[in-house]
Amino acid sequence: QSALTQPPSASGSSGQSVTISCTGTSSDVAGYNYVSWYQQHPGKAPKLMIYEVSKRPSGVPDRFSGSKSGNTASLTVSGLQAEDEADYYCSSYAGNDNYWVFGGGTKLTVL
Amino acid sequence: QVQLQESGPGLVKPSETLSLTCTVSGGSISNYYWSWIRQPPGKGLEWIGYIYYSGSTSYNPSLKSRVTISVDTSKNQFSLKLSSVTAADTAVYYCARLSGVAVAGSWGQGTLVTVSS
Repeated sequence: QSALTQPPSASGSSGQSVTISCTGTSSDVAGYNYVSWYQQHPGKAPKLMIYEVSKRPSGVPDRFSGSKSGNTASLTVSGLQAEDEADYYCSSYAGNDNYWVFGGGTKLTVL
Repeated sequence: QVQLQESGPGLVKPSETLSLTCTVSGGSISNYYWSWIRQPPGKGLEWIGYIYYSGSTSYNPSLKSRVTISVDTSKNQFSLKLSSVTAADTAVYYCARLSGVAVAGSWGQGTLVTVSS
């Protein structure tokens, strides 16, 4: 059982927007602004898409955005494209003892 | 651009020790934190631990009693040892470079380790 809770699946039509949630606790998501999101295509390594809640690494399209409210973080993908179909994982810093926890992943389908 | 490559046995017997090495190329291992993360088949990601180039470490509390991560700066490598493995340790093991607090900006391609007799 993962420390952070994500919906198993999400979907949207090409060109539309979809938001994936990630729920934690006061010990991780709510306690720190160190939430990250990773995209993983089948058989590939995860790719960093968002860090520190809402920052995008160089090269990540601005269609990807992140936010946080209380103990829930969100990843929004706007203008869905076929190549966005993948698994998405959230993660959060969880303090010195647990350090780093992940969500169970959300499979995004582009209809 | 830094590249990471995992290497080690793909099959380990139950109760034995899993050993993997991550070789870093295209950049120095110095001044960064390096981490191991695993993913059981069809499941989510799990942080195993990290090491700073100077040798300081932090481990996932659920694995701490069985994990050792070490670094060899002369070879630009860091390594993972996981003892007393069971079938539950079967997973793709990734090495990664931390680019901030609990964030991995660069990943290896991953290596599947199966625990079976």
